[in-house]
Amino acid sequence: RKEVEQDPGPFNVPEGATVAFNCTYSNSASQSFFWYRQDCRKEPKLLMSVYSSGNEDGRFTAQLNRASQYISLLIRDSKLSDSATYLCVVNRPLNDYKLSFGAGTTVTVRA
Amino acid sequence: NAGVTQTPKFQVLKTGQSMTLQCAQDMNHNSMYWYRQDPGMGLRLIYYSASEGTTDKGEVPNGYNVSRLNKREFSLRLESAAPSQTSVYFCASSDPGLASGDTQYFGPGTRLTVL
Repeated sequence: RKEVEQDPGPFNVPEGATVAFNCTYSNSASQSFFWYRQDCRKEPKLLMSVYSSGNEDGRFTAQLNRASQYISLLIRDSKLSDSATYLCVVNRPLNDYKLSFGAGTTVTVRA
Repeated sequence: NAGVTQTPKFQVLKTGQSMTLQCAQDMNHNSMYWYRQDPGMGLRLIYYSASEGTTDKGEVPNGYNVSRLNKREFSLRLESAAPSQTSVYFCASSDPGLASGDTQYFGPGTRLTVL
């Protein structure tokens, strides 16, 4: 089983729509969770950390469900500029500061 | 600050050739990492350096070597390139001493093709 699994998509949505997707992780001892954004042929960049209580950053909302071991990302009022691949990232307990990366969920926002 | 820089951006090698990928960071981070990214797969850790003077293998170290030259620089060497090493290589850094210690910052990547 992969450490982090994501639906690869693509999710094709019109501008202004809401899109949401999840990832699951296998290690119940993981403590740190992130969403990274990766544009085509570019490096991953941190979008947001995910906290236990859930958190928002503008149009982006991240939720963590420890019991079911999944993380979600919701994007409201989608913009063309939100088109990217979103990587779910989880730390590896007992492996100092090493991270496991999902393969990514691709979102395409159309005009 | 430039953040994390990598050279070269693109490289084409023939099977059996060697090359070194360079990485430097100006954020005074202690930890540095080398990853490869292949289609349909998450980033996979090749080698990492928790601090200056130390290096350790990651998930996929075979065919690679690394050098942590100083706190700023971490290089990745392919001694005898193989077509299976065709990939995009990313360098990253982080500082475990910070509250955001798990957060890693990435360089722009090197696209390597081995013929």
